[in-house]
Amino acid sequence: DADVTQTPRNRITKTGKRIMLECSQTKGHDRMYWYRQDPGLGLQLIYYSFDVKDINKGEISDGYSVSRQAQAKFSLSLESAIPNQTALYFCATRDSLNTGELFFGEGSRLTVL
Amino acid sequence: GQNIDQPTEMTATEGAIVQINCTYQTSGFNGLFWYQQHAGEAPTFLSYNVLDGLEEKGRFSSFLSRSKGYSYLLLKELQMKDSASYLCAVTRSYNTDKLIFGTGTRLQVFP
Repeated sequence: DADVTQTPRNRITKTGKRIMLECSQTKGHDRMYWYRQDPGLGLQLIYYSFDVKDINKGEISDGYSVSRQAQAKFSLSLESAIPNQTALYFCATRDSLNTGELFFGEGSRLTVL
Repeated sequence: GQNIDQPTEMTATEGAIVQINCTYQTSGFNGLFWYQQHAGEAPTFLSYNVLDGLEEKGRFSSFLSRSKGYSYLLLKELQMKDSASYLCAVTRSYNTDKLIFGTGTRLQVFP
């Protein structure tokens, strides 16, 4: 089983719908991240969390919200999806005590029609 | 502003050596990462450089020159499975919460 698990792996939805992407990890890391990847743009940070009570905005947080339900769970929500949110979304974790290596989930491909 | 530049695509032959360059201009620097990403998969960590010089790890080596804002990833004895995108990322602070990724270099290895 993967250490960082994302669900769903693929989702097609319509404009205006609410979507939640979930991430859970078994690595025991305190820090969790949501990234978005678009062709030609690289990975962009949406939100990150240091622990359950700490949430921080990344570069492109508009249109997104997150919830850190437990140390092992970090979910990303699109309250009202729009087509330009079509992308590949990655959850990642990091142990704050190490050099900074990120461990990524397998990705969630979201298509908004 | 923050800027990381990598070539978009490269090709090489199985068994050869390839060097993927990365230049960066960032406000603050505390380390450079290289990640490998196969198509449709998650990025996986390859290397981390914080001091100038060459770090060797098996067939892969990574070099950093902080004064020049330059790094390269060297892949030796190329194999078909090395066909992937290689992402350069810079951290501006002591932790990767300020990690900036380049757009990646897509490497195709031919027999």
